[in-house]
Amino acid sequence: QVQLQESGPGLVKPSQTLSLTCTVSGGSISSGSYYWSWIRQPAGKGLEWIGRIYTSGSTNYNPSLKSRVTISVDTSKNQFSLKLSSVTAADTAVYYCARVGIYYGGKRTPTYYFDYWGQGTLVTVSS
Amino acid sequence: QSALTQPASVSGSPGQSITISCTGTSSDVGGYNYVSWYQQHPGKAPKLMIYDVSNRPSGVSNRFSGSKSGNTASLTISGLQAEDEADYYCSSYTSSSTPWFGGGTKLTVL
Repeated sequence: QVQLQESGPGLVKPSQTLSLTCTVSGGSISSGSYYWSWIRQPAGKGLEWIGRIYTSGSTNYNPSLKSRVTISVDTSKNQFSLKLSSVTAADTAVYYCARVGIYYGGKRTPTYYFDYWGQGTLVTVSS
Repeated sequence: QSALTQPASVSGSPGQSITISCTGTSSDVGGYNYVSWYQQHPGKAPKLMIYDVSNRPSGVSNRFSGSKSGNTASLTISGLQAEDEADYYCSSYTSSSTPWFGGGTKLTVL
């Protein structure tokens, strides 16, 4: 059973950089059938996709956050990480990491869905 | 780019059926069969309920079904149960090679 676990500081000061790591267990982050993604959810609000990374290191980011986001992968540790710079109170949210299925089955049928999620970690931006 | 449009809330009595809509454009819902639905209980992570418009992952009740017509996807829950009370989110792949989420729908079981 694949499991994802977020870790990192729960409190970040305004203008600083938010850093989180997602550790994947029960499966290899190097599998070619998945992206690895970050999603956030402010209290009482909906889900916002932040970005994703492939095992090769290729990335794609939400255009509204692109200038401040960096996602990286460490295949040796089976981890991927998020950095969000110049944070403000508006970045306060529960941050989730998730696996994104992009192919399934023996014929590698294309798809796109978030099948495994971490439990989420609350990051508060405050001085 | 705007979030996909979902009703803020829906409700139904136990045993009834409800449908939640998810409206997008030809650049997302209408253009791809990569629509998925997620259930989120308070304080919990979202759970995948439907993928590729109408496919159910292993372990998800067959009371949950999905469909799509044009730019609108729908999630139907039949035989409503108390445990179905949760927030539901749709998601679609887009022509920008990025996914987009709906604003979420709160389901109340009366």
